[in-house]
Amino acid sequence: GQNIDQPTEMTATEGAIVQINCTYQTSGFNGLFWYQQHAGEAPTFLSYNVLDGLEEKGRFSSFLSRSKGYSYLLLKELQMKDSASYLCAVRDGDYKLSFGAGTTVTVRA
Amino acid sequence: IAGITQAPTSQILAAGRRMTLRCTQDMRHNAMYWYRQDLGLGLRLIHYSNTAGTTGKGEVPDGYSVSRANTDDFPLTLASAVPSQTSVYFCASSDRENGELFFGEGSRLTVL
Repeated sequence: GQNIDQPTEMTATEGAIVQINCTYQTSGFNGLFWYQQHAGEAPTFLSYNVLDGLEEKGRFSSFLSRSKGYSYLLLKELQMKDSASYLCAVRDGDYKLSFGAGTTVTVRA
Repeated sequence: IAGITQAPTSQILAAGRRMTLRCTQDMRHNAMYWYRQDLGLGLRLIHYSNTAGTTGKGEVPDGYSVSRANTDDFPLTLASAVPSQTSVYFCASSDRENGELFFGEGSRLTVL
């Protein structure tokens, strides 16, 4: 199975940068995903890492280190609409996705 | 563009009743999944299907059953609902090679 840890809550100011860390222990690894979920809505895909390194997509970047079982999601130039829950998920060798409990990010004006 | 459709959106159910949550996708994805989401616990996998005709157990399968008679449909059945099954249920699908999950809008189930 998977053991996925991420902080429960983070607060930041509009325009700032926030980094959400995720550590995982897995019996098989086939990629790491980040999803965004606004309250009362379904999760939506943000990023995917399968090789070590940084993937950049506009204001969002995601980093992976497979040897350390570690990833982070970097949110730059924070906007009020970025207030949401961010879910770290690990795909195993059978293509099943296991999720962390999620990090609730609150952006203050 | 439909993507994944779940029904019902919301349901209140008496304990002991049988309930089926419906899920249909029109993306011709091989894999489909059922998750439940509870406060503080995140999304937990109930059952999955890698292709039509096959199913597998996830992290929390007890009390639930699924079937995958064709590519598009993946219903989740609670044979005899209990209050601990009160949750928000999300159906998802993915292309096996890509792996990105596409989620339905969720079904909020309350068992009294």
